[in-house]
Amino acid sequence: EAQVTQNPRYLITVTGKKLTVTCSQNMNHEYMSWYRQDPGLGLRQIYYSMNVEVTDKGDVPEGYKVSRKEKRNFPLILESPSPNQTSLYFCASSLTAGDSPLHFGNGTRLTVT
Amino acid sequence: GENVEQHPSTLSVQEGDSAVIKCTYSDSASNYFPWYKQELGKRPQLIIDIRSNVGEKKDQRIAVTLNKTAKHFSLHITETQPEDSAVYFCAAKGSYIPTFGRGTSLIVHP
Repeated sequence: EAQVTQNPRYLITVTGKKLTVTCSQNMNHEYMSWYRQDPGLGLRQIYYSMNVEVTDKGDVPEGYKVSRKEKRNFPLILESPSPNQTSLYFCASSLTAGDSPLHFGNGTRLTVT
Repeated sequence: GENVEQHPSTLSVQEGDSAVIKCTYSDSASNYFPWYKQELGKRPQLIIDIRSNVGEKKDQRIAVTLNKTAKHFSLHITETQPEDSAVYFCAAKGSYIPTFGRGTSLIVHP
């Protein structure tokens, strides 16, 4: 089944403890991205990747890192999480960066205390 | 960069009524306009999209219209049903990065 898989679905952590949210797609998509969703603010892009080894900042990149060593994987890294990073995170991919729709993962709800 | 405004933020209708959600965008280079539906607790999923060389597209009860001159596009849902209740996001895609509107919470009352 074609899908974007994110893990974990729920994560509670403490301030400063490094964490990684994994994202994997099995559709051979070139474009992958991370979004955070907060009430009233919609979907804001954190980072995106046009292809392997190519990543770039989105609208809200502060406090996050990403890597794209393989085409299928695009992990999101929080080196030192803070409470303002408590949010719902979505990974998404699309065939190309052009006019192709995004396929979203099921989301990761992160709470930082 | 691109800026997408979406209205209204909340829309309440009676079952069977029509619902219209409007979006405006700023970048005239944008050429792809998808709409996503997000049910409570679930991920956004594409429901319909339109490209800049088309003015209107329909899929059963859902239609999208695009006015490139005025830089706005709209989602139309006819004969609404309770299962249409969700948050709807518009997006505009130009160079590489899709920009999303802030979403419309549609509530369909039985």
